[in-house]
Amino acid sequence: DARVTQTPRHKVTEMGQEVTMRCQPILGHNTVFWYRQTMMQGLELLAYFRNRAPLDDSGMPKDRFSAEMPDATLATLKIQPSEPRDSAVYFCASGLVSGSGSTYEQYFGPGTRLTVT
Amino acid sequence: AQSVAQPEDQVNVAEGNPLTVKCTYSVSGNPYLFWYVQYPNRGLQFLLKYITGDNLVKGSYGFEAEFNKSQTSFHLKKPSALVSDSALYFCAVRDSTSGTYKYIFGTGTRLKVLA
Repeated sequence: DARVTQTPRHKVTEMGQEVTMRCQPILGHNTVFWYRQTMMQGLELLAYFRNRAPLDDSGMPKDRFSAEMPDATLATLKIQPSEPRDSAVYFCASGLVSGSGSTYEQYFGPGTRLTVT
Repeated sequence: AQSVAQPEDQVNVAEGNPLTVKCTYSVSGNPYLFWYVQYPNRGLQFLLKYITGDNLVKGSYGFEAEFNKSQTSFHLKKPSALVSDSALYFCAVRDSTSGTYKYIFGTGTRLKVLA
């Protein structure tokens, strides 16, 4: 049963520290999305990639957030330096959303719950 | 610009009764529409989608949704609710003709099925 995996599942860190979240998309999927979920803002799109190329990161605070796909099996989201307002659940999702054979839906990982104190 | 609205923060329904969770959307072109469910401390789980074709789509766990182009709606329905259906439900839309792969999610509707 193919799934999106995310590590770590929980992260508690102090303000100012670097945080790296990792995601392994489902093999064969060509698009990866990063979302942030909070009670106040709901589900926000931070960035997404197609065929490993970043297409849109307009949802991310550029000065502290960065997203990369070093290879097809790994996507990373980094926050440096972290701030208390970054506390949220961060979800990665992957999908076959373009091109031949597209199914269009996204499959979400279990999320990383980040707490910045 | 794309947008999606879920007008109800919470829907309460008695077990065994039919349920409806509402969703309306706005896109410039043709919509791709989706429903997802989220259980506590879990990621979103895909339920069903409308891409093209039959306006009534069936999905997982007995859920279905009807695409209504004139009303720009895509309401989620189930004939007989179960207590285990209690969760947070999200509607999402993507404009298939915009050239973007961005999906816009609604704010979510909490479904509570009462025993």
